[in-house]
Amino acid sequence: EPEVTQTPSHQVTQMGQEVILRCVPISNHLYFYWYRQILGQKVEFLVSFYNNEISEKSEIFDDQFSVERPDGSNFTLKIRSTKLEDSAMYFCASDGRGLVYGYTFGSGTRLTVV
Amino acid sequence: GEDVEQSLFLSVREGDSSVINCTYTDSSSTYLYWYKQEPGAGLQLLTYIFSNMDMKQDQRLTVLLNKKDKHLSLRIADTQTGDSAIYFCAEPLGQAGTALIFGKGTTLSVSS
Repeated sequence: EPEVTQTPSHQVTQMGQEVILRCVPISNHLYFYWYRQILGQKVEFLVSFYNNEISEKSEIFDDQFSVERPDGSNFTLKIRSTKLEDSAMYFCASDGRGLVYGYTFGSGTRLTVV
Repeated sequence: GEDVEQSLFLSVREGDSSVINCTYTDSSSTYLYWYKQEPGAGLQLLTYIFSNMDMKQDQRLTVLLNKKDKHLSLRIADTQTGDSAIYFCAEPLGQAGTALIFGKGTTLSVSS
């Protein structure tokens, strides 16, 4: 069964550093997403991406965040200057058939900012 | 804005039925979803229901939707230890978006 692959599974970074979280969506999917889950909190929507541009973003997705699909297979989330409160599990998802069928999620990257 | 609320924990014995409840706020949602998260894994779509349905059955899973009360439930019949996981209720975020808003998740613990 096709999978969404996320790397690394766990990343530790110092406050103020830039991090890039990587995702390889399912190859024929067209819609891509990032979500995050702070420990003990809800899964929160960050951004959706379609046709090489952001289609929707939440209030969380401020200027510190950016997304890119650099080479037609990877989908990345960059946090420019990490803060302690960015520590969370970050999930990538992709969807090829529209919202009704839901998404396929990756296993997540646990980001720890120290 | 939209919000989704769930109880946080449910503990059942193997073979019993489990019922996980959820309330949502956006009455215009066309679909509502249940996702499952096993330890160390991503979110897996379990089932969904159209807003024009009251009930959907899929093998051991039964979804009930009460639109008047904005209440969604997931019933798992003959619960097994392999059903132990976190279950998330979700609804679309806004009218035209493809994003989802999730509840905090209900941790289901099944004892043998």
